[in-house]
Amino acid sequence: NAGVTQTPKFQVLKTGQSMTLQCAQDMNHNSMYWYRQDPGMGLRLIYYSASEGTTDKGEVPNGYNVSRLNKREFSLRLESAAPSQTSVYFCASREQGIDEQYFGPGTRLTVT
Amino acid sequence: RKEVEQDPGPFNVPEGATVAFNCTYSNSASQSFFWYRQDCRKEPKLLMSVYSSGNEDGRFTAQLNRASQYISLLIRDSKLSDSATYLCVVLMDSNYQLIWGAGTKLIIKP
Repeated sequence: NAGVTQTPKFQVLKTGQSMTLQCAQDMNHNSMYWYRQDPGMGLRLIYYSASEGTTDKGEVPNGYNVSRLNKREFSLRLESAAPSQTSVYFCASREQGIDEQYFGPGTRLTVT
Repeated sequence: RKEVEQDPGPFNVPEGATVAFNCTYSNSASQSFFWYRQDCRKEPKLLMSVYSSGNEDGRFTAQLNRASQYISLLIRDSKLSDSATYLCVVLMDSNYQLIWGAGTKLIIKP
Protein backbone atom coordinates (compact mmCIF):
# COMPACT_ATOMS: atom_id res chain seq x y z
CA ASN A 1 0.00 0.00 0.00
CA ALA A 2 1.99 2.99 -1.31
CA GLY A 3 -0.55 5.71 -0.38
CA VAL A 4 -0.11 8.75 -2.64
CA THR A 5 2.75 8.72 -5.12
CA GLN A 6 4.01 11.59 -7.25
CA THR A 7 6.41 11.74 -10.16
CA PRO A 8 8.84 13.26 -10.78
CA LYS A 9 10.40 14.24 -7.44
CA PHE A 10 12.46 17.03 -9.00
CA GLN A 11 12.25 18.89 -12.29
CA VAL A 12 13.96 21.86 -13.89
CA LEU A 13 12.23 23.52 -16.83
CA LYS A 14 13.05 26.44 -19.06
CA THR A 15 10.47 29.20 -19.46
CA GLY A 16 7.89 28.17 -22.04
CA GLN A 17 8.41 24.42 -21.71
CA SER A 18 5.52 22.16 -20.80
CA MET A 19 5.29 19.20 -18.48
CA THR A 20 2.84 17.00 -16.62
CA LEU A 21 3.07 16.12 -12.95
CA GLN A 22 1.67 12.70 -12.18
CA CYS A 23 -0.19 11.66 -9.04
CA ALA A 24 -1.71 8.32 -8.11
CA GLN A 25 -3.34 6.95 -4.96
CA ASP A 26 -4.14 3.37 -4.06
CA MET A 27 -6.53 4.06 -1.18
CA ASN A 28 -9.68 4.15 -3.34
CA HIS A 29 -10.32 7.77 -2.33
CA ASN A 30 -12.90 9.82 -4.17
CA SER A 31 -11.37 13.27 -3.81
CA MET A 32 -7.97 14.41 -5.03
CA TYR A 33 -6.20 17.78 -4.82
CA TRP A 34 -3.24 19.66 -6.25
CA TYR A 35 -1.52 22.29 -4.07
CA ARG A 36 1.54 24.47 -4.42
CA GLN A 37 3.68 25.53 -1.47
CA ASP A 38 5.87 28.62 -1.62
CA PRO A 39 8.21 29.95 1.10
CA GLY A 40 6.41 31.99 3.74
CA MET A 41 2.98 31.05 2.42
CA GLY A 42 0.45 28.39 3.22
CA LEU A 43 -0.41 25.66 0.77
CA ARG A 44 -2.62 27.03 -1.98
CA LEU A 45 -5.13 24.90 -3.83
CA ILE A 46 -4.67 24.82 -7.60
CA TYR A 47 -7.36 22.36 -8.67
CA TYR A 48 -9.35 19.60 -7.07
CA SER A 49 -11.48 16.68 -8.12
CA ALA A 50 -14.34 15.71 -5.84
CA SER A 51 -14.89 12.46 -7.69
CA GLU A 52 -13.88 10.64 -10.84
CA GLY A 53 -14.95 12.66 -13.88
CA THR A 54 -15.15 16.04 -12.16
CA THR A 55 -12.58 18.79 -11.67
CA ASP A 56 -12.86 22.30 -10.23
CA LYS A 57 -10.64 25.33 -9.90
CA GLY A 58 -9.10 26.21 -6.60
CA GLU A 59 -7.51 29.43 -5.45
CA VAL A 60 -4.67 29.65 -8.03
CA PRO A 61 -5.62 27.76 -11.23
CA ASN A 62 -4.13 30.13 -13.84
CA GLY A 63 -1.42 28.51 -15.93
CA TYR A 64 -2.44 24.96 -15.01
CA ASN A 65 -4.73 22.25 -16.29
CA VAL A 66 -5.71 18.96 -14.71
CA SER A 67 -7.04 15.58 -15.74
CA ARG A 68 -8.75 13.04 -13.50
CA LEU A 69 -7.81 10.08 -15.62
CA ASN A 70 -9.58 7.54 -13.41
CA LYS A 71 -10.26 7.13 -9.72
CA ARG A 72 -6.59 6.53 -8.98
CA GLU A 73 -4.85 9.18 -11.05
CA PHE A 74 -4.96 12.98 -11.11
CA SER A 75 -2.41 14.80 -13.25
CA LEU A 76 -1.40 18.47 -13.33
CA ARG A 77 -0.15 20.04 -16.55
CA LEU A 78 1.84 23.22 -17.08
CA GLU A 79 1.39 24.20 -20.71
CA SER A 80 3.94 27.01 -20.81
CA ALA A 81 6.03 27.17 -17.65
CA ALA A 82 6.89 30.54 -16.09
CA PRO A 83 9.41 31.37 -13.34
CA SER A 84 6.45 32.24 -11.07
CA GLN A 85 5.52 28.55 -11.15
CA THR A 86 8.73 27.60 -9.36
CA SER A 87 7.35 25.86 -6.28
CA VAL A 88 6.83 22.59 -4.47
CA TYR A 89 3.73 20.80 -5.73
CA PHE A 90 1.80 18.42 -3.53
CA CYS A 91 -0.96 16.04 -4.53
CA ALA A 92 -3.40 14.85 -1.87
CA SER A 93 -6.39 12.56 -1.60
CA ARG A 94 -9.27 12.19 0.83
CA GLU A 95 -12.04 9.71 1.44
CA GLN A 96 -15.54 11.14 1.46
CA GLY A 97 -16.77 11.78 4.97
CA ILE A 98 -13.28 11.68 6.45
CA ASP A 99 -11.40 14.87 7.36
CA GLU A 100 -7.84 13.79 6.80
CA GLN A 101 -6.05 14.52 3.55
CA TYR A 102 -3.17 12.23 2.63
CA PHE A 103 -0.30 13.83 0.77
CA GLY A 104 2.25 12.61 -1.70
CA PRO A 105 5.97 13.38 -1.19
CA GLY A 106 5.87 16.43 -3.46
CA THR A 107 7.51 17.56 -6.70
CA ARG A 108 10.12 20.31 -6.52
CA LEU A 109 9.87 22.32 -9.72
CA THR A 110 12.25 25.06 -10.80
CA VAL A 111 11.52 27.16 -13.87
CA THR A 112 14.46 29.18 -15.17
CA ARG B 1 -5.31 40.42 6.10
CA LYS B 2 -4.48 36.76 5.57
CA GLU B 3 -7.34 34.33 6.13
CA VAL B 4 -5.27 32.17 8.44
CA GLU B 5 -2.37 33.72 10.31
CA GLN B 6 0.40 32.09 12.30
CA ASP B 7 3.56 33.33 13.96
CA PRO B 8 6.27 31.89 11.70
CA GLY B 9 8.73 31.47 14.60
CA PRO B 10 11.06 29.77 14.97
CA PHE B 11 10.23 28.82 18.52
CA ASN B 12 13.42 27.50 20.13
CA VAL B 13 12.44 25.38 23.10
CA PRO B 14 14.48 23.13 25.42
CA GLU B 15 13.60 19.45 25.50
CA GLY B 16 10.99 18.70 28.17
CA ALA B 17 9.46 22.17 28.12
CA THR B 18 5.87 23.08 27.30
CA VAL B 19 5.24 25.19 24.23
CA ALA B 20 2.07 26.72 22.86
CA PHE B 21 1.22 28.60 19.72
CA ASN B 22 -1.89 30.13 18.29
CA CYS B 23 -3.44 30.58 14.92
CA THR B 24 -6.08 33.19 14.04
CA TYR B 25 -8.64 32.92 11.25
CA SER B 26 -10.67 35.67 9.65
CA ASN B 27 -13.85 33.97 8.48
CA SER B 28 -16.33 33.42 11.28
CA ALA B 29 -18.20 30.93 9.09
CA SER B 30 -15.26 28.52 9.15
CA GLN B 31 -16.49 25.02 9.81
CA SER B 32 -13.65 22.82 10.94
CA PHE B 33 -10.09 23.22 12.10
CA PHE B 34 -6.97 21.09 12.00
CA TRP B 35 -3.31 21.03 12.92
CA TYR B 36 -0.96 19.39 10.43
CA ARG B 37 2.71 18.71 10.99
CA GLN B 38 5.32 19.12 8.25
CA ASP B 39 8.89 17.93 8.61
CA CYS B 40 11.61 19.65 6.61
CA ARG B 41 11.19 18.98 2.88
CA LYS B 42 8.44 16.44 3.53
CA GLU B 43 4.70 16.34 2.99
CA PRO B 44 2.18 17.60 5.60
CA LYS B 45 0.54 15.01 7.84
CA LEU B 46 -2.53 15.41 10.02
CA LEU B 47 -1.62 15.89 13.68
CA MET B 48 -5.11 16.41 15.08
CA SER B 49 -8.53 17.83 14.40
CA VAL B 50 -9.73 20.65 16.65
CA TYR B 51 -13.20 20.28 18.08
CA SER B 52 -15.33 22.91 19.78
CA SER B 53 -14.81 21.20 23.11
CA GLY B 54 -11.07 20.97 22.58
CA ASN B 55 -9.23 17.70 22.30
CA GLU B 56 -6.17 16.00 23.67
CA ASP B 57 -3.95 13.34 22.19
CA GLY B 58 -1.15 12.32 24.50
CA ARG B 59 1.15 15.30 24.95
CA PHE B 60 -0.78 17.43 22.46
CA THR B 61 -3.81 19.57 23.29
CA ALA B 62 -5.77 21.64 20.80
CA GLN B 63 -8.31 24.32 21.70
CA LEU B 64 -10.78 26.36 19.67
CA ASN B 65 -12.02 29.81 20.63
CA ARG B 66 -14.77 30.75 18.18
CA ALA B 67 -15.53 34.08 19.86
CA SER B 68 -11.98 35.32 19.33
CA GLN B 69 -11.46 33.27 16.18
CA TYR B 70 -8.30 31.44 17.10
CA ILE B 71 -7.12 27.91 17.67
CA SER B 72 -4.20 26.86 19.79
CA LEU B 73 -1.82 23.93 20.06
CA LEU B 74 -0.08 23.01 23.32
CA ILE B 75 2.76 20.52 23.41
CA ARG B 76 3.81 19.22 26.82
CA ASP B 77 7.08 17.50 27.69
CA SER B 78 8.49 18.33 24.27
CA LYS B 79 10.73 15.81 22.52
CA LEU B 80 13.48 16.35 19.97
CA SER B 81 11.24 14.58 17.46
CA ASP B 82 8.61 17.31 17.86
CA SER B 83 10.86 19.65 15.84
CA ALA B 84 8.84 20.47 12.74
CA THR B 85 6.61 23.11 11.22
CA TYR B 86 3.03 23.10 12.50
CA LEU B 87 0.39 24.14 10.00
CA CYS B 88 -2.97 25.56 11.03
CA VAL B 89 -5.73 24.61 8.60
CA VAL B 90 -9.31 25.84 8.34
CA LEU B 91 -12.14 24.24 6.39
CA MET B 92 -14.13 26.97 4.70
CA ASP B 93 -16.91 25.34 2.75
CA SER B 94 -18.80 22.23 1.85
CA ASN B 95 -16.55 21.62 -1.17
CA TYR B 96 -13.90 20.80 1.36
CA GLN B 97 -11.54 23.57 0.36
CA LEU B 98 -8.94 24.03 3.06
CA ILE B 99 -7.21 27.32 3.86
CA TRP B 100 -3.69 26.81 5.15
CA GLY B 101 -1.59 28.96 7.41
CA ALA B 102 2.06 29.44 6.51
CA GLY B 103 3.14 27.44 9.55
CA THR B 104 5.01 27.89 12.83
CA LYS B 105 8.48 26.43 12.98
CA LEU B 106 9.36 24.64 16.23
CA ILE B 107 12.91 23.64 17.15
CA ILE B 108 13.42 21.49 20.23
CA LYS B 109 16.94 21.72 21.62
CA PRO B 110 18.62 19.07 23.80
